[in-house]
Amino acid sequence: QKEVEQNSGPLSVPEGAIASLNCTYSDRGSQSFFWYRQYSGKSPELIMFIYSNGDKEDGRFTAQLNKASQYVSLLIRDSQPSDSATYLCAVNWGGNTPLVFGKGTRLSVIA
Amino acid sequence: DAGVTQSPTHLIKTRGQQVTLRCSPKSGHDTVSWYQQALGQGPQFIFQYYEEEERQRGNFPDRFSGHQFPNYSSELNVNALLLGDSALYLCASSSRVSFSYEQYFGPGTRLTVT
Repeated sequence: QKEVEQNSGPLSVPEGAIASLNCTYSDRGSQSFFWYRQYSGKSPELIMFIYSNGDKEDGRFTAQLNKASQYVSLLIRDSQPSDSATYLCAVNWGGNTPLVFGKGTRLSVIA
Repeated sequence: DAGVTQSPTHLIKTRGQQVTLRCSPKSGHDTVSWYQQALGQGPQFIFQYYEEEERQRGNFPDRFSGHQFPNYSSELNVNALLLGDSALYLCASSSRVSFSYEQYFGPGTRLTVT
């Protein structure tokens, strides 16, 4: 059974710091990896996706993938109070296969 | 560029009733996936529709059924509602034909079963 594990948090960081969010997955066949941000009472918003080992940067966000360790992370540089949300890690087998989500990590950025 | 839309926003039903939720995918997308998100949990996959057929299904009972129309919009039907069906129901769209597999979610429908 495919599982995705995340620390539920809350993870508290001061404004301007780097927030580091981590995710591990159980299925070595997983091919694609996604980070969604979900504000309270809202739906998940796709912020990053990564398919290959290594780093992928988009603005203040960096996704890191290590398939050998079955580990995905999301770094948020210069964290802002508006980044306070739950961050969901999701994986699938590639293509349009179903997403398997972790329970999410709640991030709180303190001004 | 219209994003994924869902209706209604909120719904209150009684145990045993039936409910229909609707979804229109993002412009250019042809695949619709439905997820259920209980409070404090990540979304769980219900099923996926492409070319008007159910292509993949998660671990949900037959009370959950769906449909996709020629314009790619989709419906989720739940029969014989249980209290445990109370959740946020999310529709996600993606594109198989253009190999754009990232799934984008709509705003969701909050279903409360009393």
